[in-house]
Amino acid sequence: QKEVEQNSGPLSVPEGAIASLNCTYSDRGSQSFFWYRQYSGKSPELIMSIYSNGDKEDGRFTAQLNKASQYVSLLIRDSQPSDSATYLCAGAKAAGNKLTFGGGTRVLVKP
Amino acid sequence: GAVVSQHPSWVICKSGTSVKIECRSLDFQATTMFWYRQFPKQSLMLMATSNEGSKATYEQGVEKDKFLINHASLTLSTLTVTSAHPEDSSFYVCSAQGPRDDGYTFGSGTRLTVV
Repeated sequence: QKEVEQNSGPLSVPEGAIASLNCTYSDRGSQSFFWYRQYSGKSPELIMSIYSNGDKEDGRFTAQLNKASQYVSLLIRDSQPSDSATYLCAGAKAAGNKLTFGGGTRVLVKP
Repeated sequence: GAVVSQHPSWVICKSGTSVKIECRSLDFQATTMFWYRQFPKQSLMLMATSNEGSKATYEQGVEKDKFLINHASLTLSTLTVTSAHPEDSSFYVCSAQGPRDDGYTFGSGTRLTVV
């Protein structure tokens, strides 16, 4: 079992719709979670970090963490073609510790 | 925000030669940097954790004598791929935690092609 798991996709959503991405993790010691966006051939860029149970919103993005169920999710509202990328979920046991990445979910937003 | 500068962006080298990749934290001090490798259509795989002033910690299966890591200052970490071979061709990227616990910032990555 991988430490961090994501559906590889592709997740195809029409422009303007909501994209919903999920991630599960196996290590209950993980405390910090991150969503990164990675365009083809580029390095990851941070979208959201979340450390506590519940929701965290930033613009069109909402991250949700449920430590009891060991899952993290990301919602992208009003999806745009520019959101087409691979989204990586990552976890760490504490600040400054190494990140463990999931395999990534490819999102395709169709105009 | 925190910026990590990585050079070169891409490099082509002959089999058997060595290549050095640099990562600099531009506006903060990074006591720890992480080095990842990514093959096409795969996720990032952690290679090693680079600690300023001490030896790097390598992940299982990563050859420490082949991938030399040096973290001589609080703003610079280097990865040297020694005696490179075509199977070492990959995307190498470094990261460090920003100064305000605002997540991990990644360098722009280095595309290494060994011919």
